[in-house]
Amino acid sequence: DAGVIQSPRHEVTEMGQEVTLRCKPISGHDYLFWYRQTMMRGLELLIYFNNNVPIDDSGMPEDRFSAKMPNASFSTLKIQPSEPRDSAVYFCASKWSRGNTQYFGPGTRLTVL
Amino acid sequence: DQQVKQNSPSLSVQEGRISILNCDYTNSMFDYFLWYKKYPAEGPTFLISISSIKDKNEDGRFTVFLNKSAKHLSLHIVPSQPGDSAVYFCAAYAPSGTYKYIFGTGTRLKVLA
Repeated sequence: DAGVIQSPRHEVTEMGQEVTLRCKPISGHDYLFWYRQTMMRGLELLIYFNNNVPIDDSGMPEDRFSAKMPNASFSTLKIQPSEPRDSAVYFCASKWSRGNTQYFGPGTRLTVL
Repeated sequence: DQQVKQNSPSLSVQEGRISILNCDYTNSMFDYFLWYKKYPAEGPTFLISISSIKDKNEDGRFTVFLNKSAKHLSLHIVPSQPGDSAVYFCAAYAPSGTYKYIFGTGTRLKVLA
């Protein structure tokens, strides 16, 4: 059974460019979470969805960040324009409403030059 | 404001000995706690959890202890094995509120052969 799938695994871009990260949650899971991992702050929750609806985006750092979930099997996190301080590993996770455990994807390592 | 703190960024333990990883929290509304393990270039994977109605939960070599009055939890690994070398994150949340996990910054465990 496939876990959470993220693409790309690595992304290198130049400052000012648009970046789109993609996530496919585990089938049947109705919660989806986007996290960012940095050395200083560890794992930070950016936004989460329930049944494709954004519930809490208070962790989104700036208006340059946006996330969508057009259907139950796909979500995107977009950064436009990107800046060097956005360099981090971005994780997507999903969970079933009746469970307590979130399942993480392998992450996307973003480098903004 | 770091609601979940892991004050030891790293820990080295000899193979076969006990590893003790610590985590402190400040929000008394948290009622569910989890530990995740993370290998390089992979997403965090669920290890063990505990509800606030318990003070101990065991799963094989892994035991989590919860001291609610001290707002402290710890993960014990006995005996430690080289394959346990990873970064360990504790997380907390209040299911009665939102499904937002609050993660600590992680502790890097190195088990020496």
